[in-house]
Amino acid sequence: EAGVAQSPRYKIIEKRQSVAFWCNPISGHATLYWYQQILGQGPKLLIQFQNNGVVDDSQLPKDRFSAERLKGVDSTLKIQPAKLEDSAVYLCASSLDWGTGYEQYFGPGTRLTVT
Amino acid sequence: GEDVEQSLFLSVREGDSSVINCTYTDSSSTYLYWYKQEPGAGLQLLTYIFSNMDMKQDQRLTVLLNKKDKHLSLRIADTQTGDSAIYFCSGGSQGNLIFGKGTKLSVKP
Repeated sequence: EAGVAQSPRYKIIEKRQSVAFWCNPISGHATLYWYQQILGQGPKLLIQFQNNGVVDDSQLPKDRFSAERLKGVDSTLKIQPAKLEDSAVYLCASSLDWGTGYEQYFGPGTRLTVT
Repeated sequence: GEDVEQSLFLSVREGDSSVINCTYTDSSSTYLYWYKQEPGAGLQLLTYIFSNMDMKQDQRLTVLLNKKDKHLSLRIADTQTGDSAIYFCSGGSQGNLIFGKGTKLSVKP
């Protein structure tokens, strides 16, 4: 079974530029998550989707971050404009369904550096 | 808000047991999890425990849960150099996981 795929793996941009990350979850997984992991910290949930609907985006900085999962499969996370403090690894995860007890499978992440 | 606390570093010798500790505040967590993260990789679920259990054993891994004290521990028996990684404790509900900062385990040969 193929795992969660993410691209690009690394991205370096200047502050105020835009950037987008792509995630392809495990086939058949209804729930998709985006996490931000700042160096030295644990992952922090940004947004979770159930199929193509948003379940929780309470920690997403909506003035600059946006995410979509149009067909309930792939997802993109965008930052516009980027700030220095957005430097982090962005992890995508998926699970079979939404709710407690469903294992989340993580992708390798995209490391973003904002200069 | 919910919080998960872990010690940041642990160093052991190969063959010894490692014990990684975690305290959490969210008593509504139905499951508590231990994830492993190797350099440049995503998180891998190692094991989990249901909140009405106090112990779970899975090969070299033993998880102990003290729900009264909101304390979780992960014991790795016969620690190997391949166990060197960062270990995250996590809990939450409805898929919204809260992670600790991680404990970096270093295993010396």
